Amino acid sequence: NAGVTQTPKFRVLKTGQSMTLLCAQDMNHEYMYWYRQDPGMGLRLIHYSVGEGTTAKGEVPDGYNVSRLKKQNFLLGLESAAPSQTSVYFCASSYRPGLAGYEQFFGPGTRLTVL
Amino acid sequence: GIQVEQSPPDLILQEGANSTLRCNFSDSVNNLQWFHQNPWGQLINLFYIPSGTKQNGRLSATTVATERYSLLYISSSQTTDSGVYFCVVGETSGSRLTFGEGTQLTVNP
Repeated sequence: NAGVTQTPKFRVLKTGQSMTLLCAQDMNHEYMYWYRQDPGMGLRLIHYSVGEGTTAKGEVPDGYNVSRLKKQNFLLGLESAAPSQTSVYFCASSYRPGLAGYEQFFGPGTRLTVL
Repeated sequence: GIQVEQSPPDLILQEGANSTLRCNFSDSVNNLQWFHQNPWGQLINLFYIPSGTKQNGRLSATTVATERYSLLYISSSQTTDSGVYFCVVGETSGSRLTFGEGTQLTVNP
């Protein structure tokens, strides 16, 4: 099993450009998440999905859109990139939360720089 | 939302020393994970421990959910243990995780 994978690993954009980050998981998890990590800080939740075709806002959703057309994929889009979106982006996935909780598994991250 | 406090914020050790990292949280949780973020930025899942005690080699963790804290023990530290240790919790009432600010650990040879 590959676990959680992210594409691309690195990207440099100019202000105003758009791009899509792809997250894929092969663990048949229902839940998927997108986080961003700024220097010296913990991760903050951008958007998440509780199942195919559903998405919800997290802590810092502004400037991002997401889609979950297939259970195994979760896409994060930046329509018009801004320098404030320079960050490292992590994707994660988990089973549906239950009485036993829900361990999250993280991808390797995508380092995005917006000039 | 739930508050997560980690202590100490920074810790410097000599190789071979032991250490204890603490995580306090403000509400009941059904998810608690400890991660190690290495100097290359990779997040390594150490423990999934919403309650009880687990051990994995030189590392062990204990969560006392009723008292709202968790401890991560590192014994016989090595330089490869350097990095940031994050405590991450999920509220019983929700499905999202909240990260603490992390403990920056430096192990000197």
